[in-house]
Amino acid sequence: AQSVTQLDSQVPVFEEAPVELRCNYSSSVSVYLFWYVQYPNQGLQLLLKYLSGSTLVESINGFEAEFNKSQTSFHLRKPSVHISDTAEYFCAVSRKNFGNEKLTFGTGTRLTIIP
Amino acid sequence: EAGVVQSPRYKIIEKKQPVAFWCNPISGHNTLYWYRQNLGQGPELLIRYENEEAVDDSQLPKDRFSAERLKGVDSTLKIQPAELGDSAVYLCASSSSSGSFGEQFFGPGTRLTVL
Repeated sequence: AQSVTQLDSQVPVFEEAPVELRCNYSSSVSVYLFWYVQYPNQGLQLLLKYLSGSTLVESINGFEAEFNKSQTSFHLRKPSVHISDTAEYFCAVSRKNFGNEKLTFGTGTRLTIIP
Repeated sequence: EAGVVQSPRYKIIEKKQPVAFWCNPISGHNTLYWYRQNLGQGPELLIRYENEEAVDDSQLPKDRFSAERLKGVDSTLKIQPAELGDSAVYLCASSSSSGSFGEQFFGPGTRLTVL
């Protein structure tokens, strides 16, 4: 079975400061890795994903995440946050080469941007 | 392209009452998922459909929960009777079987409150 740990339930950050949201996973097989974002009263939206290849993946709005196999981590970073980044962020995994099976999510990190 | 549609968005019922949620996935998506998201937690899979077939319902509490996906398109999730612990957000997601990974698109969810 897979599991995902997001140690930080809440992260307050000043506007324009950098942020890192931590994600560690456990799995006996290779996995795909995802970050989803949930804005208030909205559904989950895919922010970025790691499937294979380069271990550094980027989103269109300035976020990036790096897959570290030895540390089983997939931390999310942004060099300068904006008020609009206020949301809940979920790290998730699914088993590689198992088709469209379920996502296993962490408990989420609530990112609050302080003006 | 329309996203995943869910209704109702909010539902308040008294315990022991029945309740049903409806989901219409993205057109052409063969895989449909129902997740439950408890307060402060990440979503957890209840059931996954490939077309009309439920291929993973291991986490569905079958004594009170039921689901159907007639004609392999939209789906209904039912709870009868509801209990206080069923209060949660019920998320529907869909994905295309043409991909090699489980990129899932989520609806806005139905927030259920059981009094």
